[in-house]
Amino acid sequence: DIQMTQSPSTLSASVGDRVTITCRASQNINTWLAWHQQKPGKAPKLLIYKASNLETGVPSRFSGSGSGTEFTLTINSLQTDDFATYYCQQYNSYSWTFGQGTKVEIK
Amino acid sequence: EVQLLESGGGLVQPGGSLRLSCAASGFTFSDYAMNWVRQAPGKGPEWVADLKSRDGSTHYADSVKGRFTISRDNSKNTLYLQMNNLRAEDTAIYYCARDGPSRPWDYWGQGTLVTVSS
Repeated sequence: DIQMTQSPSTLSASVGDRVTITCRASQNINTWLAWHQQKPGKAPKLLIYKASNLETGVPSRFSGSGSGTEFTLTINSLQTDDFATYYCQQYNSYSWTFGQGTKVEIK
Repeated sequence: EVQLLESGGGLVQPGGSLRLSCAASGFTFSDYAMNWVRQAPGKGPEWVADLKSRDGSTHYADSVKGRFTISRDNSKNTLYLQMNNLRAEDTAIYYCARDGPSRPWDYWGQGTLVTVSS
């Protein structure tokens, strides 16, 4: 299985900050990468697919980039609603796998 | 509005069986591939299985292969997960998720909790 490694595991930030989360794949996944946001007690929510495509309804302050094995999720001007855990997920080859998550906390 | 509603979770003893259901509405169910994804307490999500709409092919995570079976009834707009020979490590919230147009998992249900314990 393809291993997905996110960094950092936890990130402390303030409202208005720009934050970047990194995701590395153990092998080339082209751009078959998604980012999901999860809040406590809720199901994950798709934010970004195919590495850089913003899902319908997701604010434009979220953006994704990368290809191959290195990917980033950037949140420009962090809002209160953005404090959550973020997961990258590859869908290049079975079994689909997730990163371990990055928790964005209030500083 | 797309809705996915899971049911069937509960407490089961090791070695037992359970069948989960996911009732879909708000879209043409038969046109979409569907997934089961689980999340153990305090852990990240883990993909369990998927079922394609075009050819009905199925795929499973190694951790459940041979024990779990994914199926669907398009006449009832319902996805199922039959879980046999359950183990303590199968304890998790189980979500169904739809594969969207050219994107994975664009809609998720609210989840149903499965607890495997004696």
